[in-house]
Amino acid sequence: KNEVEQSPQNLTAQEGEFITINCSYSVGISALHWLQQHPGGGIVSLFMLSSGKKKHGRLIATINIQEKHSSLHITASHPRDSAVYICAVLPRDQGAQKLVFGQGTRLTINP
Amino acid sequence: DVKVTQSSRYLVKRTGEKVFLECVQDMDHENMFWYRQDPGLGLRLIYFSYDVKMKEKGDIPEGYSVSREKKERFSLILESASTNQTSMYLCASSYGGAGAGNEQFFGPGTRLTVL
Repeated sequence: KNEVEQSPQNLTAQEGEFITINCSYSVGISALHWLQQHPGGGIVSLFMLSSGKKKHGRLIATINIQEKHSSLHITASHPRDSAVYICAVLPRDQGAQKLVFGQGTRLTINP
Repeated sequence: DVKVTQSSRYLVKRTGEKVFLECVQDMDHENMFWYRQDPGLGLRLIYFSYDVKMKEKGDIPEGYSVSREKKERFSLILESASTNQTSMYLCASSYGGAGAGNEQFFGPGTRLTVL
């Protein structure tokens, strides 16, 4: 079993829909990251969380440390949101910045 | 803006060749990382470096070596390329220090094909 599990693996939705991507992990962590990867390969960091909730534009990320679970929400989704979304955690006992990655969720938003 | 650049976007090499992948960052980051990304397997750490001339093995170091002679540059070396090293290779960098899980900045990736 992977230390970081994402669901769903693939998600297709219509423009305007509310999107939720889930991430569950099995180890104690110092931080959790949400990353976005567009076709072509480039990865950008969306959020870094250690507790609570963060919002940036139409994107919201939440984390529940007790339940070892995080969600990424996209409101009013748009075709340009189509990308792979990756959850990554930093295990608490890691001295260096060694992230553990989920396998990613491929999101497709149709016009 | 932080910029992480990689020497090539696409590379085709033959089995047995020695391959160099170069990564340069312009933000004076202490930490640098090399990952490979394969369908169904996600991102896997090959090697990382937390200072000049320092390196540590990641999860899949076999068949690879690295070099960090200058703070801004981190090279990944495939001593004798094999077909199972065909993959997307991504470099990343981050600040070091006590910050937990500092944000990693990624390069655009190099898609390597070994024939």
